[in-house]
Amino acid sequence: DVQMTQSPSSLSASVGDRVTITCRASQGISNSLAWYQQKPGKAPKLLLYAASRLVSGVPSRFSGSGSGTDYSLTITSLQSEDFATYYCQQYYNTPLTFGAGTKVEIE
Amino acid sequence: EVQLVQSGAEVKKPGESLKISCKGSGYIFTSYWIGWVRQMPGKGLEWMGIIYPGDSDTRYSPSFQGQVNISADKSISTAYLQWSSLKASDTAMYYCARISPYYFDYWGQGTLVTVSS
Repeated sequence: DVQMTQSPSSLSASVGDRVTITCRASQGISNSLAWYQQKPGKAPKLLLYAASRLVSGVPSRFSGSGSGTDYSLTITSLQSEDFATYYCQQYYNTPLTFGAGTKVEIE
Repeated sequence: EVQLVQSGAEVKKPGESLKISCKGSGYIFTSYWIGWVRQMPGKGLEWMGIIYPGDSDTRYSPSFQGQVNISADKSISTAYLQWSSLKASDTAMYYCARISPYYFDYWGQGTLVTVSS
């Protein structure tokens, strides 16, 4: 199984801050990575796929990068609606695996 | 508009059986895989398995193989997740989600399953 190590597990930030979340795979996953946002009591929402491709309708302040085993999600100029938990997920092979999540909280 | 609508919350006793559903609309149900994802209270997301409603090809995560059954009825555009004997540790929110082509692009609203004596 491909293990996904996501860090940090939580962070505190202010509106307007730049935030970066990282995900490390236990083996190369050839950019087969998606990022999701989950707000309390809601289903996850797809933000990016193929490591860096933004889903239609997702604000451009969200971006993704990386290659091989190391990937990151960056939110430039954090907005109040961005406070949520973020998960990475590899789809390089099955079983599909998620990172443990990063909770972005208001500082 | 793509929609996945899941059945309502369930409260069950240990040892009971349960089948929850996920009805797709707004797209060709038989052309996309549907996956099930577990989220235990306060925890992260776990992939359970997937089904291709077109031919009922099903794949399970090793962690859930033998613990649940995934099925689909393409005539009514509905996928199912079933337990034959629930345990307290099955208490969780369960999500269905469409897979396109390899990631989850649309999600159901979730079904909360509570197993308690």
